[in-house]
Amino acid sequence: DVKVTQSSRYLVKRTGEKVFLECVQDMDHENMFWYRQDPGLGLRLIYFSYDVKMKEKGDIPEGYSVSREKKERFSLILESASTNQTSMYLCASSLGVRNQPQHFGDGTRLSIL
Amino acid sequence: DQQVKQNSPSLSVQEGRISILNCDYTNSMFDYFLWYKKYPAEGPTFLISISSIKDKNEDGRFTVFLNKSAKHLSLHIVPSQPGDSAVYFCAAIRSGGYQKVTFGTGTKLQVIP
Repeated sequence: DVKVTQSSRYLVKRTGEKVFLECVQDMDHENMFWYRQDPGLGLRLIYFSYDVKMKEKGDIPEGYSVSREKKERFSLILESASTNQTSMYLCASSLGVRNQPQHFGDGTRLSIL
Repeated sequence: DQQVKQNSPSLSVQEGRISILNCDYTNSMFDYFLWYKKYPAEGPTFLISISSIKDKNEDGRFTVFLNKSAKHLSLHIVPSQPGDSAVYFCAAIRSGGYQKVTFGTGTKLQVIP
């Protein structure tokens, strides 16, 4: 069974802080994704990566960056946290072939005060 | 610009009856569609998918129908069970390019015992 593990279930940070969200998958998947989920807006893609050190912007990349130094790990970075980044963050991974379903972690509920 | 739309935020159905969840899309480049189910405090889990070359795919109690000309798909659950109560997300993948997935806003299904 694929396991996608997000480092924290709940996180509280202050405005202006640099925040790191970590995600690890154990199935050697090529693709990894970061989403945020907000009421009424569904899941919106922030960034994705299809290989080590490769990244592509999603629909809402502003205020975020990512890092993928190893295949199994994909980090989301909030460079200077703001209150509008309070959200549920979901990491996912999938095989690098067409039309594969994504496997999600359980999410990190991030609050920026 | 919401390319994948789920116009019903919520749906209530009696146990044993059919649940029908609807999804509309605007981008004719989408050629693969998926449904995910999400329980509170968990990540979404893959449920069923359909390729644009088909109009129906069935897996146990779950059937997905695709009407390409109307750019509409639906998920049928029959019979509905209380354990099906969750948020259901429709998702779509574009042909070609990277495996970027676009999600809908979700429909919260409540199955009443």
